[in-house]
Amino acid sequence: DAGITQSPRHKVTETGTPVTLRCHQTENHRYMYWYRQDPGHGLRLIHYSYGVKDTDKGEVSDGYSVSRSKTEDFLLTLESATSSQTSVYFCAISGRGEYNEQFFGPGTRLTVL
Amino acid sequence: DQQVKQNSPSLSVQEGRISILNCDYTNSMFDYFLWYKKYPAEGPTFLISISSIKDKNEDGRFTVFLNKSAKHLSLHIVPSQPGDSAVYFCAAENQGGKLIFGQGTELSVKP
Repeated sequence: DAGITQSPRHKVTETGTPVTLRCHQTENHRYMYWYRQDPGHGLRLIHYSYGVKDTDKGEVSDGYSVSRSKTEDFLLTLESATSSQTSVYFCAISGRGEYNEQFFGPGTRLTVL
Repeated sequence: DQQVKQNSPSLSVQEGRISILNCDYTNSMFDYFLWYKKYPAEGPTFLISISSIKDKNEDGRFTVFLNKSAKHLSLHIVPSQPGDSAVYFCAAENQGGKLIFGQGTELSVKP
């Protein structure tokens, strides 16, 4: 299994508070991704990174920011959490070989009250 | 606009029979298609993929078929086993290298 961990695994927070989710990899993969999974929507890309300090927006980036200061860590920040950001968040990594096979972390369940 | 669609939210199959999961897409420029399997409280795991230049790829009990003219792909699982019960996502890789996922189909294999 690819070495990907996410922390925390569960979090309950209140509307308006900042939240940071961490993704850590031990595979030295260049590409890292943050997705959210919601019923009826599958997995939707929030932000991704193609190298240290190199990030770009995905499909549903509003309200989220990311940072990658080291190859192994990719942080997702909700500056001011809203109830619509209640979701399960998955981090993924990829070496971007022949095709973009991505390896996923175990997920973080975030509840915003 | 949903570029990748899985129109069946759920599927129930008897153990030993064939499971067929379907996926439709709208963008003819997708390069690769992938299937992921997801158990509750776990992250998705890669199952099988197919290049847009092929029409079939097989890996053990799992076969993916691609019909480019219909913009349709399907995953066949034969024979189905109770351990195959999970949510299956199809995904397409666009030319920017990003994956676009379908909504998922929950497969239940009954003993």
